[in-house]
Amino acid sequence: QQPVQSPQAVILREGEDAVINCSSSKALYSVHWYRQKHGEAPVFLMILLKGGEQKGHEKISASFNEKKQQSSLYLTASQLSYSGTYFCGTETHGSSNTGKLIFGQGTTLQVKP
Amino acid sequence: EAGVAQSPRYKIIEKRQSVAFWCNPISGHATLYWYQQILGQGPKLLIQFQNNGVVDDSQLPKDRFSAERLKGVDSTLKIQPAKLEDSAVYLCASSLVSGGAQTQYFGPGTRLLVL
Repeated sequence: QQPVQSPQAVILREGEDAVINCSSSKALYSVHWYRQKHGEAPVFLMILLKGGEQKGHEKISASFNEKKQQSSLYLTASQLSYSGTYFCGTETHGSSNTGKLIFGQGTTLQVKP
Repeated sequence: EAGVAQSPRYKIIEKRQSVAFWCNPISGHATLYWYQQILGQGPKLLIQFQNNGVVDDSQLPKDRFSAERLKGVDSTLKIQPAKLEDSAVYLCASSLVSGGAQTQYFGPGTRLLVL
């Protein structure tokens, strides 16, 4: 029941916006977003717990539609430092607050000058 | 605050050999996770500990993989014997419950190549 991320890859110019989606076939308790640069560990960005909740981190924000089992990550006015692979990790209601995450396959973002 | 520590960072072995990885979580984090990340894929949970007890090891290939967390702090993950398909990055993470959720913090990983 791995969540599905879309798109698989995206190329942007600095200053452009992007949206990364994460969809699950299971009812979700939470969605966790991470960014991983090549050869490095995944870095935590944010957690979303409730339906319709939005959070922000610098110019990166996310929403969680609990009814649709979907989350979207919004990158506004992208910077070169945003380049990397973005993963969503989902926690289902059956595993609520156990910390058990199932990660999507990742979305590779490349920001060009 | 120190992050999650892992060693070694890189390991090259031949198939059928054994290998062990070590992880020291963030101080005070009760939950520790081992993940396998194959190139181009997301991390896959192998085993989860709560203090020194196993919470979930449903995806751990128990015929060749073993893990322990003595005294509820450090943990080791062992592969014996290794296969070619075990080539991957092995990530350790730890977490603390806060606000109804467990935020996981990852270590730098051990990159394993099996020849």
